[in-house]
Amino acid sequence: SQKIEQNSEALNIQEGKTATLTCNYTNYSPAYLQWYRQDPGRGPVFLLLIRENEKEKRKERLKVTFDTTLKQSLFHITASQPADSATYLCALDRNYGQNFVFGPGTRLSVLP
Amino acid sequence: EAQVTQNPRYLITVTGKKLTVTCSQNMNHEYMSWYRQDPGLGLRQIYYSMNVEVTDKGDVPEGYKVSRKEKRNFPLILESPSPNQTSLYFCASKDSSYNSPLHFGNGTRLTVT
Repeated sequence: SQKIEQNSEALNIQEGKTATLTCNYTNYSPAYLQWYRQDPGRGPVFLLLIRENEKEKRKERLKVTFDTTLKQSLFHITASQPADSATYLCALDRNYGQNFVFGPGTRLSVLP
Repeated sequence: EAQVTQNPRYLITVTGKKLTVTCSQNMNHEYMSWYRQDPGLGLRQIYYSMNVEVTDKGDVPEGYKVSRKEKRNFPLILESPSPNQTSLYFCASKDSSYNSPLHFGNGTRLTVT
């Protein structure tokens, strides 16, 4: 069956460290994968997109990798700050952007 | 300001009383979609629309209806709400390029008693 999982429901790290979040999927063949941030009481906000032929994408302190052989994406936040505390969602495209499936999310807490 | 607007933000209703949640976007996006978010289950797609007068079922369409008569609006209709439709609902839109990101509204928290 098709499944998309994120490594843990919650992750606590110390300020200044690198946070690494994992997204694994089975029985999908996405053309691309996206990462979103969701704050309590708000809708998800797009962060980064990585295509199936890209290994790595960076944006400021954020880095995403995509391994289609392992069927896994890693999302890194370097020099993490308490303001980075939020839930992070990965999303796979299905059918060339016609619809999407989301992972359950990882709630990240960056402790001062 | 570019945005997706949902109304209402909170809604409490009783079983069987028809309701509509409105969604409007001002970005001229062709694609619009509805999701529900439940603890432990994440975001699940209810319906989506690639353009005006074109709608398709997502993963959990039972008990819901949608219509897309205008490009900017995509209302979600619950003809006979039931308690298992208690959830947090999000509307999203994006432009027609296949790898463009979704823009989400701020959600509607629905409680059906």
